[in-house]
Amino acid sequence: GESVGLHLPTLSVQEGDNSIINCAYSNSASDYFIWYKQESGKGPQFIIDIRSNMDKRQGQRVTVLLNKTVKHLSLQIAATQPGDSAVYFCAENTRYGGSQGNLIFGKGTKLSVKP
Amino acid sequence: KAGVTQTPRYLIKTRGQQVTLSCSPISGHRSVSWYQQTPGQGLQFLFEYFSETQRNKGNFPGRFSGRQFSNSRSEMNVSTLELGDSALYLCASSSGGTNQETQYFGPGTRLLVL
Repeated sequence: GESVGLHLPTLSVQEGDNSIINCAYSNSASDYFIWYKQESGKGPQFIIDIRSNMDKRQGQRVTVLLNKTVKHLSLQIAATQPGDSAVYFCAENTRYGGSQGNLIFGKGTKLSVKP
Repeated sequence: KAGVTQTPRYLIKTRGQQVTLSCSPISGHRSVSWYQQTPGQGLQFLFEYFSETQRNKGNFPGRFSGRQFSNSRSEMNVSTLELGDSALYLCASSSGGTNQETQYFGPGTRLLVL
């Protein structure tokens, strides 16, 4: 039978524009958040992370914003390039006792960059 | 440093068979986590190993199991394969301390069950 796939939200941007990818997380006890980029045929690649004691963190061309009040995370990519085309996942992590805990992933957003 | 490596990269099995997948973490990393990625369910956590012990487990049936060796390499096993087990199986490694640390993913093993 035909499998039902995830209908990924898609963001289409022009090369050189800024991109904003949003994510709502589920667990108010989560205290560590990560953004990953996954290109076709590859595993997720770490982009940037943020801990719950921060509300903003900047990397090279990327910024992550955390709003704990509404459980919302966003990834901003400046001057988007064709090489940024991929599926972007947010992930949350909650520690259990001394354990590292596991990552809970969002469904992903497909970013498509038009040259 | 070399990244996380997984073998094999592709695998075709039939229903009822079993399969073993291998993961070598980044040198010095002691925690290895396994995830299943499917179009329908997305990325789901299977289990995490640290110092040869399973430290955390997701909601998968007992057909899914794993182990970790003293050199931190890990294997996962799926017995009595079902069609729904077709997926990309991803391994991620991290230093494994008590604070959350970044998990770095391998390229995955794509399993097709016929």
